[in-house]
Amino acid sequence: AQSVTQLDSQVPVFEEAPVELRCNYSSSVSVYLFWYVQYPNQGLQLLLKYLSGSTLVKGINGFEAEFNKSQTSFHLRKPSVHISDTAEYFCAVSRMDSSYKLIFGSGTRLLVRP
Amino acid sequence: DVKVTQSSRYLVKRTGEKVFLECVQDMDHENMFWYRQDPGLGLRLIYFSYDVKMKEKGDIPEGYSVSREKKERFSLILESASTNQTSMYLCASSSLRTGNSPLHFGNGTRLTVT
Repeated sequence: AQSVTQLDSQVPVFEEAPVELRCNYSSSVSVYLFWYVQYPNQGLQLLLKYLSGSTLVKGINGFEAEFNKSQTSFHLRKPSVHISDTAEYFCAVSRMDSSYKLIFGSGTRLLVRP
Repeated sequence: DVKVTQSSRYLVKRTGEKVFLECVQDMDHENMFWYRQDPGLGLRLIYFSYDVKMKEKGDIPEGYSVSREKKERFSLILESASTNQTSMYLCASSSLRTGNSPLHFGNGTRLTVT
């Protein structure tokens, strides 16, 4: 079975500062990896995904994530955050072999302060 | 753009009532999902469907059932609502039966059971 751990439930940061949101996963098979963002009072939308190839993945709104197979991590980063990045961020995994079920982490609330 | 529409944004029901949550997608997606979202727990899969009249249990199906009579519509049914089913419910759809297909989410239905 797969599992996803987001250790930080909330990350406060000042505007224009860099940020890293951590995600670790466990799986006995190869996986695809995703980051989703949920703005207040909205559903989730895809931020970026790792399927194969380059381990550095770029997404929307200036976010990027790096897949590290040896550390089973997929941390999300942004070099300079904006107030509008305040949202909840979810890491998710799915099996490569057949399943289209996504397993989500518990989420990290990014709070950007002026 | 894919649109996933959930019929109600907020819903208040009494304990013991039968509750229907409706979801419609407009992109001819094969897969549809119901998740519930609770603080600190992330998203947990209740049921999913990969075709009309086909359904599979997710991780927390107890107390719920689903119906998919048409490809575009996926209904979640609470046979006898209980207070522990107070939650945010998110519907999603995806196009492929492989693990690399991202989910498209509706804006959610916040259900309160009193």
